[in-house]
Amino acid sequence: NAGVTQTPKFQVLKTGQSMTLQCAQDMNHEYMSWYRQDPGMGLRLIHYSVGAGITDQGEVPNGYNVSRSTTEDFPLRLLSAAPSQTSVYFCASSVGQGGEQYFGPGTRLTVT
Amino acid sequence: SQKIEQNSEALNIQEGKTATLTCNYTNYSPAYLQWYRQDPGRGPVFLLLIRENEKEKRKERLKVTFDTTLKQSLFHITASQPADSATYLCALITPTNAGNMLTFGGGTRLMVKP
Repeated sequence: NAGVTQTPKFQVLKTGQSMTLQCAQDMNHEYMSWYRQDPGMGLRLIHYSVGAGITDQGEVPNGYNVSRSTTEDFPLRLLSAAPSQTSVYFCASSVGQGGEQYFGPGTRLTVT
Repeated sequence: SQKIEQNSEALNIQEGKTATLTCNYTNYSPAYLQWYRQDPGRGPVFLLLIRENEKEKRKERLKVTFDTTLKQSLFHITASQPADSATYLCALITPTNAGNMLTFGGGTRLMVKP
């Protein structure tokens, strides 16, 4: 199993551009989540999902959209990038309530 | 919303000693609490889970306690080794209809010196 994969690893965007961060898992996990981590800080939840067609907002959802059309994939869309969205983005998947989170390697995004 | 506090200052200890990390929260007690290890440039790695009705959990050299009265979890690493040097994050988990809602603390950096 590849586990949780994220693409790209690095990305530089200009203010106002849009893009999609990809996340996929091959463990058949129902639960998937997106986090951002800023320097010296813990992770903050952006959006999460319990299965295809079911998503909800986390702590910092503004400026981001998600959809979940399959169990395997959970893309995160930045609608109009802003410098405040410069961060490292982690995707994670888990099984069941309270289940351990399996994290991807992260995408380092810089918005200029 | 939950506010979680972990000691933001680095914890420096000598090899072989027990490291104790603290996680305090302010509001309702979560259904679950987890601890993760994060190395620089990598995603967090799961270590231990404890449920709200459990007082203590152990795994090899790791032990976590959960006191819902004090609103605190303690994470212990016994017989610490330099390889234990990393940042440790606690996370509170609230299940919802849309999945697991996790709130992370800011993490505590542990440095184990030989």
